[in-house]
Amino acid sequence: AQSVAQPEDQVNVAEGNPLTVKCTYSVSGNPYLFWYVQYPNRGLQFLLKYITGDNLVKGSYGFEAEFNKSQTSFHLKKPSALVSDSALYFCAVRGRGYSTLTFGKGTMLLVSP
Amino acid sequence: DSGVTQTPKHLITATGQRVTLRCSPRSGDLSVYWYQQSLDQGLQFLIQYYNGEERAKGNILERFSAQQFPDLHSELNLSSLELGDSALYFCASSVGTLAGNTIYFGEGSWLTVV
Repeated sequence: AQSVAQPEDQVNVAEGNPLTVKCTYSVSGNPYLFWYVQYPNRGLQFLLKYITGDNLVKGSYGFEAEFNKSQTSFHLKKPSALVSDSALYFCAVRGRGYSTLTFGKGTMLLVSP
Repeated sequence: DSGVTQTPKHLITATGQRVTLRCSPRSGDLSVYWYQQSLDQGLQFLIQYYNGEERAKGNILERFSAQQFPDLHSELNLSSLELGDSALYFCASSVGTLAGNTIYFGEGSWLTVV
């Protein structure tokens, strides 16, 4: 089985400060890890993914994520938060042999001016 | 814009009724997925099709069914609707079925059962 944990329901950060949204996963074999963002009343937008190679993955809108195999984590980061980054963020995992993504419950990011 | 198109965007219907949600995948994508998003259950995988064939089944109720047509569009049929079926239903697509393939989501179809 595969699973994802996002331990924080909400993350609050001031604009201009760095942000981190946490994610840990469980899967057999090598993981394929994804981050998606959902703005209010919108669909899920793909941000970035880790397949193999460099542990630091860069994605859309200045976001990046760090894969840590020993800690089974894939935390989403951004050096300087914007108010427009406020949204619901989902981490997802897909193991080799699995047809689909398993999502975490999501973390609401609130960036204050 | 992900390139995945879903219709209708909003739907209100009564309990016991049947509805059909439609999805057009991104150009070139052969794999289609359906997900349900609700406040209490989060994002739940329902079913996946690849090039017209059912590939994987998740937490899909027997009252629900889906299919993928030769032109690769897909439909999700929800019948004998209950209040608890009210949710946001997402269609998504990917080029294939490899674990590393990116899955792109549509804007969703909001279903309200009254």
